[in-house]
Amino acid sequence: EMQLSESGGGLVQPGGSLRLSCVAAGLNFNTYAMTWVRQAPGKGLEWVSSISGRNGAIFYADSVEGRFTVSRDNSKNTVYMQMNGLRVDDTAIYYCTVGSDSSVWGQGAQVTVSS
Amino acid sequence: DIQMTQSPSSLSASVGDRVTITCRASQDISHYLAWFQQRPGKAPKPLIFKTSNLFSGVPSTFSGGGSGTEFTLTISGLQPEDSATYYCQQYDSYPLTFGGGTKVEIK
Repeated sequence: EMQLSESGGGLVQPGGSLRLSCVAAGLNFNTYAMTWVRQAPGKGLEWVSSISGRNGAIFYADSVEGRFTVSRDNSKNTVYMQMNGLRVDDTAIYYCTVGSDSSVWGQGAQVTVSS
Repeated sequence: DIQMTQSPSSLSASVGDRVTITCRASQDISHYLAWFQQRPGKAPKPLIFKTSNLFSGVPSTFSGGGSGTEFTLTISGLQPEDSATYYCQQYDSYPLTFGGGTKVEIK
């Protein structure tokens, strides 16, 4: 069974940084693209970023381009998202998913940006 | 960017009813459309990929259809546990985009 587990969320002041991690189990990790999706309080789902499995192609939403950096370590079955220059409107639950069709979801990591 | 428009934004129906949610794309996305179910306080659950294919474990009361720019999610025989918000998502091209969601309530 494929499983994802996010970590690294927390409370941070505006302008601060956080790094989210997502560890995958039960899949041939390096063959899958990985995607980050977020959900602000009371709002819908918003795609944030995707990273391909092998060639490392990375895509970002305009709202995070230049502030967030996604990477992966296939030897550790882990994908990371470094979030810099955090803003209040980045407050959300951040989900790690498998593939561009988000076929598997983690439980989510809460990120709160507040002074 | 491809805009995804869901309708209705909410609906109320009775147990046993047939319910259909529509998702329209602002341009042709072929069959690259997924549906998700989200119950309050929970992570979204994948229901359907590539327009009409059910993920493992999803009841056959759920079905998907369409192509190009218009897609549907149908629940045949609504059950109390189907009370949730449903989202469509296109994955034909980046940026990936979601519909605004449809909240389904049980009368």
